[in-house]
Amino acid sequence: ETGVTQSPTHLIKTRGQQVTLRCSSQSGHNTVSWYQQALGQGPQFIFQYYREEENGRGNFPPRFSGLQFPNYSSELNVNALELDDSALYLCASSTRQGAVSGYTFGSGTRLTVV
Amino acid sequence: AQSVTQPDIHITVSEGASLELRCNYSYGATPYLFWYVQSPGQGLQLLLKYFSGDTLVQGIKGFEAEFKRSQSSFNLRKPSVHWSDAAEYFCAVSTGTASKLTFGTGTRLQVTL
Repeated sequence: ETGVTQSPTHLIKTRGQQVTLRCSSQSGHNTVSWYQQALGQGPQFIFQYYREEENGRGNFPPRFSGLQFPNYSSELNVNALELDDSALYLCASSTRQGAVSGYTFGSGTRLTVV
Repeated sequence: AQSVTQPDIHITVSEGASLELRCNYSYGATPYLFWYVQSPGQGLQLLLKYFSGDTLVQGIKGFEAEFKRSQSSFNLRKPSVHWSDAAEYFCAVSTGTASKLTFGTGTRLQVTL
């Protein structure tokens, strides 16, 4: 059973740039959720993808967008980066009933916007 | 909307001492409740979860938690802490089996030898 892999592990971007973060999905899982964890805070839900469709979104602006691929891996795209976007971005894969079956989290991507 | 409060930002305990981390939630019905642990630079690992039934749930690494509906609480306990338990602990709730997780702000546990 493979876990969840996120790439890259760290990156630095300049304000106004765009960034793409990637997340694999654990074997047998068809749902991916993305969370933003600012320093000293708990993770905040960005959105969830189920079978390649967005299926729930948190309080994040449209410049946060995503994709899910047929193999259930996922991308998080952020346009027009702002300094406040600096955070650890976590993805979690699960089955549709994640709360029952369990969420498997990746180790995250640390994004720094300068 | 649901919310989670972890009143203790930072707790220090001696190795071998008992531990209790507090968690209170706000939600109209009984939510699904979770405790996660995060080591530095790592993702989140599930310690235990509660859906229904017995209000005392056992988890991994010797942790347990008790759901108290009257107090809207789900406190995490461990009878004897090990130095390797030093980490950040997050309580989370979900309002449905397919719903998002709402996390508290976390409690940082420091263990002194």
